Formats: sequence, structure tokens, C-alpha cells
Amino acid sequence: QLQLQESGPGLVKPSETLSLTCTVSGGSIRSNIYYWGWIRQPPGKRLEWIGNIHYSGSTYYNPSLKSRVTIYVDTSKNQVSLKLNSVTAADTAVYYCARRPNDGNYFQNWGRGTLVTVSS
Amino acid sequence: DIQMTQSPSSLSASVGDRVTITCQASQDISKYLNWYQQKPGKAPKLLIYDASDLQIGVPSRFSGSGSGTDFTFTISSLQPEDIAIYYCQQCDSLPVTFGQGTRLEI
Repeated sequence: QLQLQESGPGLVKPSETLSLTCTVSGGSIRSNIYYWGWIRQPPGKRLEWIGNIHYSGSTYYNPSLKSRVTIYVDTSKNQVSLKLNSVTAADTAVYYCARRPNDGNYFQNWGRGTLVTVSS
Repeated sequence: DIQMTQSPSSLSASVGDRVTITCQASQDISKYLNWYQQKPGKAPKLLIYDASDLQIGVPSRFSGSGSGTDFTFTISSLQPEDIAIYYCQQCDSLPVTFGQGTRLEI
């Protein structure tokens, strides 16, 4: 059974870099038929797509975050990682990793999410 | 970006009721509309993709319809476990965007 588990610091200072890792179990990220994505949800607000990556390295980012975001994979660890630099309080959110099929930009499998608070 | 607007923002219904939520896109998105259910403290769960296709394992009381800019999500007979927030999501073009959510209460 596929499981996705986000991990990383729950508190990040303003202007620093937010770094999260999604560890995938019960399946390989080295699959041609899936992309892996990051989505976030600020408290009380709607979901916001951050970006997607294929294990081959192909990436797509939300233009609103593109200048600050990097998503990458570590196939040896079966992990997908997110880095968001120059964070502000507006980046406080629950961050989810998720899996979507190649032929559809809908997210079939999600991690439980991890809350990241940006505060000094 | 394509703007997604759901209606209503909140809804109160009784067990056994038929419940309908609408989602409107700011431009034509063909059939590329998905519906998710999110319970408190949990990740969203995909219910419907491509406007009307039921995700594997999702009860048949959930259904979706529509195309273009106007879409409908229906629960044919509301169950207590259906209490959640429901989101639509367009995937016709990047960036994919979500509606503001509809809170469903009993």
C-alpha cells in the first residue's frame, strides 16, 4: 500500500529556507507513469499547488512561487524534496506531498501533511 | 490563472438528503475538473476526476457532472461520515487551481 510521509522543521524563521522531504513507501518514485507533487494549505484557506516532478527530473512550478521553489528527487532514498527560500509569514501552511498520474493532473494519493510555521 | 468559484460556501443538510455543490471556472476547462473531500486534520481525498469519473473505492452515492465552465458535485443520500469540506480543482492548464471549498454540515 502506497504511503507518503512528509518530514521537516515545523518552524522556520523569516527570510530563511523551508526544506521538506516526502518519503515514499509501498511504491517506487522511479515510475514512468506518475508525477510527484507538493501542495500547501495556509490555515483556513484554499489549497495551493506548488509544483510537480517526474523522477526523470522534469519539473513544473506554480509561476507565483517559481522564483523561490526547487523540487527534486532522490531515487536512492525514494524521496521527493521541496525547498522554498526567502520565506515570510505568508508561507505558513500545511504542506502535502502527493502523487498524480502522467495522464491527469489530479492527485490520487496524499501524505498526511506537515505544518510549517514561519515566525521569528 | 483560472479562478474556481464554489457555491455555496457552507451547507447544512440532513442524513439522507440529496446534496449538490457547484463549481464555476473563469474560463472553459473542458472536462478537467476534479473533486476532493477533506475531513478535519486530514489530507484531501480524491473522489471524482475528469468531471464525472469515480475514483476507485469511492462510494457510488458521490457523482459529478458538467463541462466547460459549470460543474456539479452531488451526494445522492447524505451519510454522517460525509461531513467534510469539499474542493473542486481544475487541471486543464497550469497552474492547477482549487476552489475555496464548501463546508458541509449536518
